[in-house]
Amino acid sequence: EVQLVESGGGLVQPGGSLRLSCAASGFTFSSYSMKWVRQAPGKGLEWVSYITSSGSNMYYADSVKGRFTISRDNAKNSLYLQMSSLRAEDTAVYYCARKDSSGWHLDYWGRGTLVTVSS
Amino acid sequence: QSALTQPASVSGSPGQSITISCTGTTTDVGGYNYVSWYQQHPGKAPQVIIYDVSDRPSGISDRFSGSKSGNTASLTISGLQAEDEADYYCTSYTSSGTLAIFGGGTKLTVL
Repeated sequence: EVQLVESGGGLVQPGGSLRLSCAASGFTFSSYSMKWVRQAPGKGLEWVSYITSSGSNMYYADSVKGRFTISRDNAKNSLYLQMSSLRAEDTAVYYCARKDSSGWHLDYWGRGTLVTVSS
Repeated sequence: QSALTQPASVSGSPGQSITISCTGTTTDVGGYNYVSWYQQHPGKAPQVIIYDVSDRPSGISDRFSGSKSGNTASLTISGLQAEDEADYYCTSYTSSGTLAIFGGGTKLTVL
């Protein structure tokens, strides 16, 4: 069974940093591209970042470019999101999701981890 | 880049059909057959219900169908059921640097 479990969320002050993790199981992690998607309270979904299966290519939404870094450790079946210079508008539930191997859709999602940026 | 345009809300009675539109541009919806739709119940993670414009993942009811015309994609739900009440999001591949773009979401109310 495919499982994605996010962790690392919490309360952080504006300007602070946080590292999210996503533990993957039930599939060959190194064969799949992965994404982070966030959802601010009461708002819609927003794509944050994308990393290819080997980790050689990364892409970011304009809203987080230069502040967030996506990475992965295929030996540990783990996906990461290093977030720095955090702002109030980064407050959201952060989901990790698996990109389908042949298409562009996200076929499995984790339950999400809440990041709250507030003083 | 602006989000894809969806109606904020739609409603229907049990047994009826509803359609949710998703309008983009030639650089996203109109240019590629990589439109997908996600259903999200309150407090839950999204779940893909349509991908590649009109394909359904295994286990998804055939009451859900997708289509596209020009820069507008559509999700149709037939035979509405109470359990269909949820938020629905479209997304598309985009040739912009971000690679992906979401719609703003549509809240479906089953009356």
